[in-house]
Amino acid sequence: EPEVTQTPSHQVTQMGQEVILRCVPISNHLYFYWYRQILGQKVEFLVSFYNNEISEKSEIFDDQFSVERPDGSNFTLKIRSTKLEDSAMYFCASSEAEGGAEQFFGPGTRLTVL
Amino acid sequence: AQSVTQPDIHITVSEGASLELRCNYSYGATPYLFWYVQSPGQGLQLLLKYFSGDTLVQGIKGFEAEFKRSQSSFNLRKPSVHWSDAAEYFCAVVPLMNTGFQKLVFGTGTRLLVSP
Repeated sequence: EPEVTQTPSHQVTQMGQEVILRCVPISNHLYFYWYRQILGQKVEFLVSFYNNEISEKSEIFDDQFSVERPDGSNFTLKIRSTKLEDSAMYFCASSEAEGGAEQFFGPGTRLTVL
Repeated sequence: AQSVTQPDIHITVSEGASLELRCNYSYGATPYLFWYVQSPGQGLQLLLKYFSGDTLVQGIKGFEAEFKRSQSSFNLRKPSVHWSDAAEYFCAVVPLMNTGFQKLVFGTGTRLLVSP
């Protein structure tokens, strides 16, 4: 069964460093998403991506964040200068269509900023 | 304010007993409604979803949910809980807006514990 994969499973970084979280969405999906879950809090939407551009982003997704689909398979989230409060579980998701189409989630990358 | 509320943070149920997890939403128009489950160390898995039509929706793993427009609720149920159902359950919606039909808005989650 096709699935969304994410690497690494755990990333530890120093405050101020850049990190890139990687995702491989399901191959025939066209819509891609990043969500995050700070420990003990709810899952929050960060950004959605379609046709090589951002279609929607939340207030959390400021200038420190960027997304890219560098090739036909990967979808990345870059945090330019990490802050302590960026420590969270980051989930990638993909879907065939927008709206109510099922979003398939990856297992997440746990980011720890020291 | 627009929101998704799961009033129960933790619920403990005996194995074999029935389960109901509550979810209420506050949106002007009925959004698309979802229930996801997250097992430890796993991603989020879709249990079921509701867009329109029959208000009782069947999902995977024996779960069902009932949409009640008058109560703005979408409660998740299971007649007989198994120990493997212990996990975190999230209610989520896709708000219907003029633009941006895509983002999932999650509730805070309910952690289900199953006792022997």
